Amino acid sequence: DAKTTQPPSMDCAEGRAANLPCNHSTISGNEYVYWYRQIHSQGPQYIIHGLKNNETNEMASLIITEDRKSSTLILPHATLRDTAVYYCIRSNDYKLSFGAGTTVTVRA
Amino acid sequence: DGGITQSPKYLFRKEGQNVTLSCEQNLNHDAMYWYRQDPGQGLRLIYYSQIVNDFQKGDIAEGYSVSREKKESFPLTVTSAQKNPTAFYLCASSIDGLAGADTQYFGPGTRLTVL
Repeated sequence: DAKTTQPPSMDCAEGRAANLPCNHSTISGNEYVYWYRQIHSQGPQYIIHGLKNNETNEMASLIITEDRKSSTLILPHATLRDTAVYYCIRSNDYKLSFGAGTTVTVRA
Repeated sequence: DGGITQSPKYLFRKEGQNVTLSCEQNLNHDAMYWYRQDPGQGLRLIYYSQIVNDFQKGDIAEGYSVSREKKESFPLTVTSAQKNPTAFYLCASSIDGLAGADTQYFGPGTRLTVL
């Protein structure tokens, strides 16, 4: 049980922003929202995580709604190398429950 | 260059043979993890260890064994008791594996095929 809901797939144009939604309506107060991505046949790559506030790093931005029931990962300028499966995970300890994620295809 | 290494990248074994997958990290992390991934699916936790000489079963530990004799090493043995061993195996590590924001970092994975 992944405990988050993501669309199975989405396309994005190269150079445009990619906005990846995630629903986690039953998230508890001490659970963080993590985002990872996995390029085919490689290990998952950590992207970003947050608790309540919006977060930004060199890879992406994470926008968490005020009620914390959903979040959006933003890749500001998608490139072909961003094509991957993106996982949204909620966790407050060692346990990461990976669901099927969103397959993002960036097209030239 | 810090990170997690897994070897080999591809591994082939005959049915009925035990096989050990290597995982090494030089991040000075206390916690290490093993996951299994089947085609088109997410990751499932096999075993984890939060400290040397201690480890706990994850969700799918049957047919697997681990050891944690050194902080930087967490080898996984796939035994002949594992009914469907062919899969992509991923090792990860994190600072302490305790509650809170303890980010896990993953190795490149080992693809095991049992013939």
